[in-house]
Amino acid sequence: NAGVTQTPKFRILKIGQSMTLQCTQDMNHNYMYWYRQDPGMGLKLIYYSVGAGITDKGEVPNGYNVSRSTTEDFPLRLELAAPSQTSVYFCASSYAGGNNEQFFGPGTRLTVL
Amino acid sequence: AQSVTQPDIHITVSEGASLELRCNYSYGATPYLFWYVQSPGQGLQLLLKYFSGDTLVQGIKGFEAEFKRSQSSFNLRKPSVHWSDAAEYFCAVGAASGNTPLVFGKGTRLSVIA
Repeated sequence: NAGVTQTPKFRILKIGQSMTLQCTQDMNHNYMYWYRQDPGMGLKLIYYSVGAGITDKGEVPNGYNVSRSTTEDFPLRLELAAPSQTSVYFCASSYAGGNNEQFFGPGTRLTVL
Repeated sequence: AQSVTQPDIHITVSEGASLELRCNYSYGATPYLFWYVQSPGQGLQLLLKYFSGDTLVQGIKGFEAEFKRSQSSFNLRKPSVHWSDAAEYFCAVGAASGNTPLVFGKGTRLSVIA
C-alpha cells in the first residue's frame, strides 16, 4: 500500500496561473480531505468529500475547487493563484468520518509569486 | 461543534527529561481524541487515539495520553524525550457521530536540547 500520495512535491506559480494538486489513496477510503498549513496556524480544512460525487466546503474554500469522480482521487484546483495561497497543502483520507483516524500524504509546498 | 485548544505554541525540553503537551477540547458528548506528530517536511502521523474505555492510552514511540473528562483534557506525555522527538504535535477531536471532519488544534512545536 502506498497510502496517500500527492503530486507535485513542490511548485512555484505566478500570480493568476492555475494548477491542480493531485491526491490519490489506495486504501479504499470513503472520506478524503484537503488542508492547508501555514506557519503557526495549524491545519485549515479547505474541502472534503464523503464519497465519489460528493464534496463539501471546509473552513477556507475560497479560491479553490475540488471534484471526486472516483474513490481513489481527490484533486484540488487553484484557478487564479494569489500570493495568499502560498502554503503547504496536505491531502488526507479516512475510512469513515470524523471519528476515524485520518491518513496524511507527504504534502505539496506551493509558492505563488 | 467541537473545538480544540493547544495552549503551548512552543516547548523546549532537555533530552532525557519528561514531556507533557497540553490539549483541551470542547464537545458536548464523549469525544474521539487523537494526537498526531509531524516531523519537519513530513505529513502527519498518528501517535495514539482515544475512543472509549481505559482513559490512559498508549501510542507509538513511547507516548501516552490521558483522557480527563472533568478537565476536558487529553494531555500527551512521554517519560524520557529523545532528540528525534523534536517535531510539531497536533491534538484533534472528532464527533461520535462521525458526520463532521476532525477538528485540529494549532499545534505545539517541540524542541529538544542536549
